[in-house]
Amino acid sequence: AQSVTQLDSQVPVFEEAPVELRCNYSSSVSVYLFWYVQYPNQGLQLLLKYLSGSTLVKGINGFEAEFNKSQTSFHLRKPSVHISDTAEYFCAVTAGGSQGNLIFGKGTKLSVKP
Amino acid sequence: DTAVSQTPKYLVTQMGNDKSIKCEKNLGHDTMYWYKQDSKKFLKIMFSYNNKELIINETVPNRFSPKSPDKAHLNLHINSLELGDSAVYFCASSQEDRGGEKLFFGSGTQLSVL
Repeated sequence: AQSVTQLDSQVPVFEEAPVELRCNYSSSVSVYLFWYVQYPNQGLQLLLKYLSGSTLVKGINGFEAEFNKSQTSFHLRKPSVHISDTAEYFCAVTAGGSQGNLIFGKGTKLSVKP
Repeated sequence: DTAVSQTPKYLVTQMGNDKSIKCEKNLGHDTMYWYKQDSKKFLKIMFSYNNKELIINETVPNRFSPKSPDKAHLNLHINSLELGDSAVYFCASSQEDRGGEKLFFGSGTQLSVL
């Protein structure tokens, strides 16, 4: 079975500051990893995903994440955040097959302040 | 082009009632899903359905049942509503392309059981 731990429930940052949202996973088999964003009153949108290949994955809106197998981590980063990045961010994992079998973390609320 | 649409956006009802949430997907998509997001933002899969097979998360009470009247719809029926059913319910669908599987979420239905 897989599990996901998002270490921070809330991350407040000022606009234009860098941010890192942490995600660690647990699995006895190889996994695929995802980051989703949920803006207020909306459904989830895929930011980026790691399936294989390069461990540094670039996504939409200037976000990137690095897969670190030895540390079982998949932290999300952005060098300079905007007010519009304020949202809930979910890390997710699946061992394969359908993305509908994603196991989600409990989310990190990113609040960007002017 | 909306991949997934679900209605209603808000649903307020009394305990013991039976209610339905509708979900319609783009016909080019393969599989449909229902997720429940609780008050702590924890997102958990309830069902997946690909027109051939229904996969049920074993933790979902049998008061919840997905019904597919046609290929484009997977509606969620809930019988004898309980206070603990209050949550946001998301419908999702997936599509395979060259980049792999993509998951599309509806905007959610906030269910409040009084």
